[in-house]
Amino acid sequence: DTGVSQNPRHKITKRGQNVTFRCDPISEHNRLYWYRQTLGQGPEFLTYFQNEAQLEKSRLLSDRFSAERPKGSFSTLEIQRTEQGDSAMYLCASSSGSFYGYTFGSGTRLTVV
Amino acid sequence: QKEVEQNSGPLSVPEGAIASLNCTYSDRGSQSFFWYRQYSGKSPELIMSIYSNGDKEDGRFTAQLNKASQYVSLLIRDSQPSDSATYLCAVNMNPTSNDYKLSFGAGTTVTVRA
Repeated sequence: DTGVSQNPRHKITKRGQNVTFRCDPISEHNRLYWYRQTLGQGPEFLTYFQNEAQLEKSRLLSDRFSAERPKGSFSTLEIQRTEQGDSAMYLCASSSGSFYGYTFGSGTRLTVV
Repeated sequence: QKEVEQNSGPLSVPEGAIASLNCTYSDRGSQSFFWYRQYSGKSPELIMSIYSNGDKEDGRFTAQLNKASQYVSLLIRDSQPSDSATYLCAVNMNPTSNDYKLSFGAGTTVTVRA
């Protein structure tokens, strides 16, 4: 296991299109997190999963956003009807405990044109 | 008040000098504190963690924690051009919730001048 994997690395889409990102966490980590980061800002929490259960969603996660983690393994984040304001780096992280911090994936950079 | 606040920088230091980064947090009950390094266009990388008051050293990095003042800092000694990056302070704000969720500051950008 080589860490957290995210695909695609980059995504350019037209406004109004739907996009889906995938995250494969470290296999023994049962907690998986999605964050969004815009230029000059720190990562902002979007949602997190413990195993397959989605336990918290930020108010940043509008109804155009949906996330899943079937069977507690990989996770997907879908954005419907993308807007230019959705352009950001979407980061996935996994964790095994509160004293270990996160391991981040390489991120997916979304550009909405 | 933001949950985690950092000096916005940028911070420019000459090669070989000490870079000092500061972070304050709002929740007095926070227990776990982390520093991440983020190179431009890349994802954050964990470089230090600290849980107890005092200093923790790892190579050229020293993290300092003062829970009474709700303050955590990072010192980079003998700064190298490769240390040029944005440094993010992250705090586990709700340790009793068992969610391990981290809140991040906006980051301090460090530039090391050769």
